[in-house]
Amino acid sequence: DAKTTQPPSMDCAEGRAANLPCNHSTISGNEYVYWYRQIHSQGPQYIIHGLKNNETNEMASLIITEDRKSSTLILPHATLRDTAVYYCIVRVKGVYAGGTSYGKLTFGQGTILTVHP
Amino acid sequence: DGGITQSPKYLFRKEGQNVTLSCEQNLNHDAMYWYRQDPGQGLRLIYYSQIVNDFQKGDIAEGYSVSREKKESFPLTVTSAQKNPTAFYLCASSITATSNAEAFFGQGTRLTVV
Repeated sequence: DAKTTQPPSMDCAEGRAANLPCNHSTISGNEYVYWYRQIHSQGPQYIIHGLKNNETNEMASLIITEDRKSSTLILPHATLRDTAVYYCIVRVKGVYAGGTSYGKLTFGQGTILTVHP
Repeated sequence: DGGITQSPKYLFRKEGQNVTLSCEQNLNHDAMYWYRQDPGQGLRLIYYSQIVNDFQKGDIAEGYSVSREKKESFPLTVTSAQKNPTAFYLCASSITATSNAEAFFGQGTRLTVV
């Protein structure tokens, strides 16, 4: 399974962009990169995912390098409510009943992002 | 409202007792998952189910059991064989096992065994 490496913690000033890096050097060609975040004692919240093109939604942008060995999650204008643990995940592709399954999400340690005033 | 419901939010049990954690979803999702989280750690996969009447072991299945008799429900039993059952348990679901659609998580059950 492809593994991810993230810095254990980062700080960001409120209103500034938060750029969270992730290394996934062993990623396979058809494995997706997912980002989730978890606020203390709650279930993880989906943020964004991508394969090889950059992606943007209402929450964030995902920049994936051309060789796909790393990616960066960008929160364009961080707020205090963005303080959370951010998980970068490579979605494991398995085999199910002769078909293809994208089921498992394998979580690492994540990055604790602290947004300060 | 659509979503995943885990109950109860907090659960206390005596050592040696089996306990079942509930997970229900009304999203019409095929795939469901159980994760365990220990303090300061990431999530670890216990069991997952790609479709009704089927389930597979995750990375830390020992001491746990599951069933998937209905599409909406994926209960997890923590048995007395689980050596360190005290943890935060999270259930998730995704629309199908054959797409890359995101998984949605419940709010978790915090189990304390005394």
